[in-house]
Amino acid sequence: AQSVAQPEDQVNVAEGNPLTVKCTYSVSGNPYLFWYVQYPNRGLQFLLKYITGDNLVKGSYGFEAEFNKSQTSFHLKKPSALVSDSALYFCAVRDFNSGNTPLVFGKGTRLSVIA
Amino acid sequence: KAGVTQTPRYLIKTRGQQVTLSCSPISGHRSVSWYQQTPGQGLQFLFEYFSETQRNKGNFPGRFSGRQFSNSRSEMNVSTLELGDSALYLCASSLAGGSHNEQFFGPGTRLTVL
Repeated sequence: AQSVAQPEDQVNVAEGNPLTVKCTYSVSGNPYLFWYVQYPNRGLQFLLKYITGDNLVKGSYGFEAEFNKSQTSFHLKKPSALVSDSALYFCAVRDFNSGNTPLVFGKGTRLSVIA
Repeated sequence: KAGVTQTPRYLIKTRGQQVTLSCSPISGHRSVSWYQQTPGQGLQFLFEYFSETQRNKGNFPGRFSGRQFSNSRSEMNVSTLELGDSALYLCASSLAGGSHNEQFFGPGTRLTVL
């Protein structure tokens, strides 16, 4: 079975500092990995995904994520945080080898960027 | 291109009633998934439809059901509402529901059960 862990419920960072939101996954085969962001009273918005190829994936709003197969991680990063990045972030995984099984989401990490 | 739309946005019901939520996917998208979001449980998968067929189902009781129409629009129904059904219900669409396709989410329907 596939699963995702986001070990931090909350991450606080000062505006202008780099941010990292952590994600580790477990799949029996190869993973497809996704990051989504949710602003208050809104649905989730897609940020980026890893399918294959380069381990560093660039996405929307200056975010990027690094796929690390040996550590089964897919941490979300941004070089310089903005107050407007404050939101709930979700990591999700789907097993490449499992056909059309549902996307599995982590519990979410609330990012707070302080001015 | 219009995004995923969900109606209604807010709903208040009482225990024992039933409710129907609607989702219109992005034009051309054939896969629709439903999720329940609560503060305690996070995002939980309800079901996925593709070309009018239920392709996956999450671990929810039979009170939760859904369907998809030929135009890819989808509805979900919850019968005999319980207080614990209060949640944000999210619909997401994707092109073909393949493993690598990202999902696009609607704004959700906030259901409150009194």
